[in-house]
Amino acid sequence: TQLLEQSPQFLSIQEGENLTVYCNSSSVFSSLQWYRQEPGEGPVLLVTVVTGGEVKKLKRLTFQFGDARKDSSLHITAAQPGDTGLYLCAGNSGGYQKVTFGTGTKLQVIP
Amino acid sequence: NAGVMQNPRHLVRRRGQEARLRCSPMKGHSHVYWYRQLPEEGLKFMVYLQKENIIDESGMPKERFSAEFPKEGPSILRIQQVVRGDSAAYFCASSPAGYTGELFFGEGSRLTVL
Repeated sequence: TQLLEQSPQFLSIQEGENLTVYCNSSSVFSSLQWYRQEPGEGPVLLVTVVTGGEVKKLKRLTFQFGDARKDSSLHITAAQPGDTGLYLCAGNSGGYQKVTFGTGTKLQVIP
Repeated sequence: NAGVMQNPRHLVRRRGQEARLRCSPMKGHSHVYWYRQLPEEGLKFMVYLQKENIIDESGMPKERFSAEFPKEGPSILRIQQVVRGDSAAYFCASSPAGYTGELFFGEGSRLTVL
């Protein structure tokens, strides 16, 4: 069973602060995605990482895939209230198409 | 709107009734996933379907729950004899053939069981 653990579970920070969210597993993933979900809406895809050690940037968000493809991190620089939401990592392993989601990190950015 | 369409957005049922949730995938997408989400929690996998085939239903309870994705028409998640514990948001996602791991979600159907 693929299990994706995210930490922290909850995070409340002031506008302008930096933060990092972690996604860890004991399984090797073929690819890993990060999504953001706002209340009452479905998750929206932010990024896909495929190669071990890969780093991708999306404006103030930096995503990294671990060298062993078992973990990933999301770093947000100078957080804005618009970054508030539930951040979810997701992935599949072993050539298997079932996509498993992480436990989620709920972020609140206070103006 | 070429996105994933789910309906109804909100559904209220009494215990023992049936709930039917529909999902029309994005145009050109042939894979559909259903997930369940409780408040303040992540998404729990229920079932993965391709046209006319259930590929993986390992996350779906054996009783009362069923899913289909017919050759024509939307995918349907059916819950028979609903109980209060079935109250949740149910999300459908689609992806194209040629797996990329990237899912495109609908806005969800929120089921409340009284």
